[in-house]
Order: sequence, then structure tokens, then C-alpha cells
Amino acid sequence: RKEVEQDPGPFNVPEGATVAFNCTYSNSASQSFFWYRQDCRKEPKLLMSVYSSGNEDGRFTAQLNRASQYISLLIRDSKLSDSATYLCVVNTRGSARQLTFGSGTQLTVLP
Amino acid sequence: ETGVTQTPRHLVMGMTNKKSLKCEQHLGHNAMYWYKQSAKKPLELMFVYNFKEQTENNSVPSRFSPECPNSSHLFLHLHTLQPEDSALYLCASSQVTPPGRGVYEQYFGPGTRLTVT
Repeated sequence: RKEVEQDPGPFNVPEGATVAFNCTYSNSASQSFFWYRQDCRKEPKLLMSVYSSGNEDGRFTAQLNRASQYISLLIRDSKLSDSATYLCVVNTRGSARQLTFGSGTQLTVLP
Repeated sequence: ETGVTQTPRHLVMGMTNKKSLKCEQHLGHNAMYWYKQSAKKPLELMFVYNFKEQTENNSVPSRFSPECPNSSHLFLHLHTLQPEDSALYLCASSQVTPPGRGVYEQYFGPGTRLTVT
């Protein structure tokens, strides 16, 4: 089983749609969770951290389910500028100061 | 300069060349990282430095040699590379957390796109 697993997509959605991505992780001792976005040929950029209670930042909502070891990202009212690859990121080695990146889910928002 | 900077942004080198990649962070962080991103593959962690000490080497071939002279600068020295080493090399930095705690988010530089011919 991969340490961090994501559906690669691609997800093609119309502008204004709501889209959700899921991610599973293998190490139950993981403590830190993030979503990053990566535009084509650019570096990953932090989108949001994921907290146990769930958190929201504008149109973006992140949820963590520790029992099932999955993380989700919901994007509401999607914009053309949301088109990117979304990376699920987890520190999979317990307290180690390392992050493991999923292979990413590609999103294209269509006009 | 702000954030994390990397130079050069693009590099083409032959298999017998020696070159170095440079990374500098202006965020006051005390941990720095080198990642490799090949086409259609997830990011692969190569090296980790905490407080200038290398704490992780993820089975990286010796033709890649990191150097961290201080907590703001990180180098990756390259020699006798192979064509399969062509990739985007990303530097990142973060703040170190106390043992037993989670980890803080990492911030990336724009990367060096390396082509080995």
C-alpha cells in the first residue's frame, strides 16, 4: 500500500461546480496533513493545513478522518484559476520531520 | 528577496560535467530539503538538513552531493549524472518542531529544471 494515495483524475468540471478530492494515508501515527496545489511546471504551493476539527478557507474545505485514515478537499464554486494538480501531503513517518507527497489529482475547470 | 530562491532556473549539462544548484531561504527557517520531481511522478525527498546537520539521505546516489553551510543556504553538487537524472529539483524550507510534535508546512523554491544530455 502506498504511503499516500490519491485518485490521479483528471477531474474536468464546469465553472461553478463543486468538486471533492480524497486521499488515504497508511501510517496511523501521522500527525500533520496538508493540501498543496501545483500549477504546470511550477513549484508546489501550500493551499491549506488540515486540522482534526476540519477547516475552511473561503471556497475550500478540508476534512480529516483519522479512523479511516483519509483526508478530503472540497472546492465550491470552482473558478478557471483553480485548474491545477492538488497534492495530498502527510508526515507518514510518525514524528519524523518529513512530508510524503501524494502523486496528485489533476483538476481542469472548464468555461 | 523573499521566500525561497533557487538558481539556476534551468540547467543543461553533459554526463561528464560538474555543476551546483543553489538554494537560499529568507524565511528564518532552520530546516531545508532537496526534492526531485520527475515527469508524472510524485515528489521524492532526497536530503533533509536540520540546523545545518544532514538528518536524512533517502538512498540518493553519490553523484548527488548536498552541502549546507548555514541554515539559510543549501547546495546540491552534481557530477557524472545520467540522463535519467533529468528532472525538476526543488528546494524547500520549514521550521523544525519539537520531538514528538507534528511538522510544520514546507515552502518551496521555484526549482531548477535539469536536463542531462
